[in-house]
Parts: sequence; structure tokens; C-alpha cells
Amino acid sequence: ILNVEQSPQSLHVQEGDSTNFTCSFPSSNFYALHWYRWETAKSPEALFVMTLNGDEKKKGRISATLNTKEGYSYLYIKGSQPEDSATYLCAFTRGNQFYFGTGTSLTVIP
Amino acid sequence: GAVVSQHPSWVICKSGTSVKIECRSLDFQATTMFWYRQFPKQSLMLMATSNEGSKATYEQGVEKDKFLINHASLTLSTLTVTSAHPEDSSFYICSASVTSGSETQYFGPGTRLLVL
Repeated sequence: ILNVEQSPQSLHVQEGDSTNFTCSFPSSNFYALHWYRWETAKSPEALFVMTLNGDEKKKGRISATLNTKEGYSYLYIKGSQPEDSATYLCAFTRGNQFYFGTGTSLTVIP
Repeated sequence: GAVVSQHPSWVICKSGTSVKIECRSLDFQATTMFWYRQFPKQSLMLMATSNEGSKATYEQGVEKDKFLINHASLTLSTLTVTSAHPEDSSFYICSASVTSGSETQYFGPGTRLLVL
């Protein structure tokens, strides 16, 4: 079983604050790194798929970076809004298998 | 696009009964479907991978006779928990992808199973 770690486990921020969290994964035999947003009682929503070292992806106020050599990815949220409250999951893939972290639970306080 | 539904969303059953969970891709054909299980405060753990028309591939430690998977069409996979016991209580979630590679998996909303 591959170890994918996410930190922090949970996070509370004020509306308007920017925030970031980390996904750490094995740096060997890397294939892709996925980020998902998971709101309560809904399906996890795919945010980004990143495959190349140095990749940066952006979707609105959310962006992500990837460092495959050291085995980490950062997810950034600029100007957090209450609707950003969710659990953010990362998944490392090797071959066709996904290995998930336990997620970072973000609560944005109005 | 890429919507996956899962039914039921929650189920409570008595120990010893069987429970069937359906996973459907609503607007695309899913060559491969995946079944995960998540225990409290743990990550999603892959139970099995199923390709349409063939037998599912189970992960180590997952009993294939207990967790029956059928992927009879490109839009439907079912997971049957046979003779459920309290330790099977968990959150079960499916996902689907167009190919069997490492592209994005599209998830259902999950099923919470409680076995009394």
C-alpha cells in the first residue's frame, strides 16, 4: 500500500483569506496526481490532473502545483468563499491504480 | 457531463442479509468501474476493479465471494454485500472511467451501509 499524506487534516479560515494545503506522495514511478473536491452528500468532483514535474493548473480561484522529484503537490485557494467549504482529496496514480490521501477538510467561515 | 449515480445512498440492514448497491454512468460509457470503501478517518481504499463483460479484479484482502461485483453493461455495475455483518458497515463509493488507465475517475455520491 502506497502512502499518500495530506496536511493539514482540517482547516478553518475566514472568508476572503487565501489558504493552501499539501499532498505528499512517493516520488518513484510517478504517473499522475489528481485533486478532487468533495462536498458533503455529493460526489467527489475532479479538479485537476497533473502529470509533469513543475505543472501548474488553475481553475478560477483554485490552483495547484506539482513537484514529482520531491513528491508533493500544493493546492491553493485565493480569497476563500463559504462555497469552497469541502474536503479536498488528492490521489496518486501508479499504473492504473489510484491511491488516495485522507483529505483536508476546509471550512470557510463567513 | 461525466455524471455517476449510485443507489441507494444509505441502507440499514440486519446481520446476515445481502445488500445490492448500483452504480450507473449516466452520460458516458464506462469501460472500467471501481469500487472503494472508506472507514471513518481513513482514505478511500480500492476494493475491486471491474471491466464490462469480464470478471472483477479484487484487491488483496477483499473476499470476492462476499463482495460480488457484476459489470453487465457499459453503464451499470453492481456490488452485492452478501451475508452482511456489522464489520461490513462502511461507506461504499464507486467510480467510472472511460478507459482502464490513469485518467480521471468520476465518482458516485456513495452509499452508507449500516449492518445491525
